[in-house]
Amino acid sequence: DQQVKQNSPSLSVQEGRISILNCDYTNSMFDYFLWYKKYPAEGPTFLISISSIKDKNEDGRFTVFLNKSAKHLSLHIVPSQPGDSAVYFCAAIGAGGADGLTFGKGTHLIIQP
Amino acid sequence: EAGVTQSPTHLIKTRGQQATLRCSPISGHTSVYWYQQALGLGLQFLLWYDEGEERNRGNFPPRFSGRQFPNYSSELNVNALLLGDSALYLCASSLKGQGYATNEKLFFGSGTQLSVL
Repeated sequence: DQQVKQNSPSLSVQEGRISILNCDYTNSMFDYFLWYKKYPAEGPTFLISISSIKDKNEDGRFTVFLNKSAKHLSLHIVPSQPGDSAVYFCAAIGAGGADGLTFGKGTHLIIQP
Repeated sequence: EAGVTQSPTHLIKTRGQQATLRCSPISGHTSVYWYQQALGLGLQFLLWYDEGEERNRGNFPPRFSGRQFPNYSSELNVNALLLGDSALYLCASSLKGQGYATNEKLFFGSGTQLSVL
C-alpha cells in the first residue's frame, strides 16, 4: 500500500508558467516532508522540505505547501525553466526517522519551450 | 569534495547468482542508506547503516543484506537473484541518522543498475 502517492506520472508545462506537483500521504505519523529532483543517470538531489508545524516553505522559485488536514502537499515552481525538466519525488518521514524516507513514485515534469 | 560514489554503474547477473554493490559515502557521513527503485515504482527503503551497525531494514527478504565497514563505506549483497530484483539501487549518506530535526538530508549516489537475466 502506497503511503505516499503522486498520482500524476507526468506533467507538461510551458516555460515561464507555474508548475504544480502534487503529493498525498496516508500515514498520519509522517511529520516531515521533502521533495527530491532526479535527472536521468543521476541520483536524486534534495530540493526543499517542510515540517508539519508549517504550512508553507519557500526557497527561490520553489515553494512547498502542506495541508495537514487533507494530508496533501504540493510543490510550486515559478517561473518554470527548461532545466526544471526532471522527475520529482515526494518523500515523507515520521518521528525518529528509523523507518527511512517513504517516497512516492515520482512525477516526470516536462518544461516545453 | 566528492559526493556519494557507487560501483559498479551497471551489473548484469543471471538468476540464482549473487550481486555485490558498493557505496562510499561523503567524507564525514556516518550513515548509509540503500534504496531500490524498480521500474514504475518509487524508491523503496532497503537498509540503513550507522556507525557500522544495521539500524533498520525495509520490507525485503533476508536475501538482501549488507554491511558497513569501519571507514563507513557499505556493501549491499543480493543472494539468489530473481528476475524481479532488476532495478536501480541507490545509496545515500547523511551525517547521522535521518534526524530531520537537525535539518539533515540524504545525499544520493548515481546508483547501480542491476539487470538479472
